[in-house]
Amino acid sequence: QLQLQESGPGLEKPSETLSLTCTVSGGSINSSNYYWGWIRQPPGKGLEWIGSIYYSGSTYYNPSLKSRITISVDPSKNQFSLKLTSLTAADTAAYYCARPRTAGTTYGAFDIWGQGTMITVSS
Amino acid sequence: DIVMTQSPDSLAVSLGERATINCRSSQTVLYSSNNKNYLAWYQQKPGQPPKLLIYWASTRESGVPDRFSGSGSGTDFTLTISSLQAEDVAVYYCHQYYSSPFTFGQGTKLEIK
Repeated sequence: QLQLQESGPGLEKPSETLSLTCTVSGGSINSSNYYWGWIRQPPGKGLEWIGSIYYSGSTYYNPSLKSRITISVDPSKNQFSLKLTSLTAADTAAYYCARPRTAGTTYGAFDIWGQGTMITVSS
Repeated sequence: DIVMTQSPDSLAVSLGERATINCRSSQTVLYSSNNKNYLAWYQQKPGQPPKLLIYWASTRESGVPDRFSGSGSGTDFTLTISSLQAEDVAVYYCHQYYSSPFTFGQGTKLEIK
């Protein structure tokens, strides 16, 4: 079955750029006709949708983060990625990749999630 | 942005009793053209990602026990656990996917009394 796995540095310094990758296994990003999303959760707090990307490359971003984020897809590696610039302590969170259950639209509940990767922003 | 507000923030229920969690959206999440409510419920246990329980406000995800049910329409929604089991201790979130940016409630922590 489809599985998602995030990878990232664990610790980043303030003002730096975070790069995260989500590797998809058990299915192909390119042929699946699905959107792929990023969601984050600060320690002890709630969930925040960051943005989503279609396998073709079209994106939806959360306006609150739009100036700092880039989401891209690499079908050859069956991966999609998140870049978040100008990091501050407020970006400390668990970052999840996830897929909505409805094909062809980003307007769907997320039924498949990665295990998440904890990112700490600290000098 | 659509603001999702859950109540209560925390809840303690005896084993075997009913647990009810409410979620209110700041504007409708009912899409009139297909009569579907773009509302989901998730369960999150410590150290784990959220798990989808309910989508379209009342459709149970495959494999989710039937003691979990969702109801409501428009702006007011409810997640009900009919007979609380020990493994249901978790934080529960509602989520609207009606309009971008997609937003979540603040969470409701469910414990055993």
